[in-house]
Amino acid sequence: AQSVTQPDIHITVSEGASLELRCNYSYGATPYLFWYVQSPGQGLQLLLKYFSGDTLVQGIKGFEAEFKRSQSSFNLRKPSVHWSDAAEYFCAVGASGNTPLVFGKGTRLSVIA
Amino acid sequence: SQTIHQWPATLVQPVGSPLSLECTVEGTSNPNLYWYRQAAGRGLQLLFYSVGIGQISSEVPQNLSASRPQDRQFILSSKKLLLSDSGFYLCAWSVLGGNQPQHFGDGTRLSIL
Repeated sequence: AQSVTQPDIHITVSEGASLELRCNYSYGATPYLFWYVQSPGQGLQLLLKYFSGDTLVQGIKGFEAEFKRSQSSFNLRKPSVHWSDAAEYFCAVGASGNTPLVFGKGTRLSVIA
Repeated sequence: SQTIHQWPATLVQPVGSPLSLECTVEGTSNPNLYWYRQAAGRGLQLLFYSVGIGQISSEVPQNLSASRPQDRQFILSSKKLLLSDSGFYLCAWSVLGGNQPQHFGDGTRLSIL
């Protein structure tokens, strides 16, 4: 079965600084990888997804993520963080077959002036 | 385009009362449907998922049940709520296949008094 680890529970960055959120997965075959964002009191919104092909994927809101098979990682990045990026971020992994995604426990991002 | 509706947005219930949360999806047929719960400060807990009418998989034994009376309708119920049932409940849908992204509703904040 697949699993996801998000090592950082909470990260604080200054507005305008770069951001990298870590995600490590465990899955024996080619994974399907996702990043979601959740603002307080809201549902989860899909930021980007990786299925195959180019290992650097672009998403919405200026986010990108890089799939590194050798490190079993799918880290989320943004070159310049805005205060509106403060939210909870979830990494998820899917497998072939009709089973639900497996989500990490999330990383809470705070943005300071 | 596809949309997902969850209601109510907020609910306050006494301990021991029944519960019914409803979720409907528009613009797609035969979706996979999911119920998740988020306790305060914690990640997503998958409660139930359904791959078709009348087909419900329970992930965690608990005080809750789910039903799918129609193709695009998913209901979360309880006969007697416990204090521990408090939380943020999210419904989600996806097209068939474990490699597909899930799309979330706006959630229901349930408080048990």
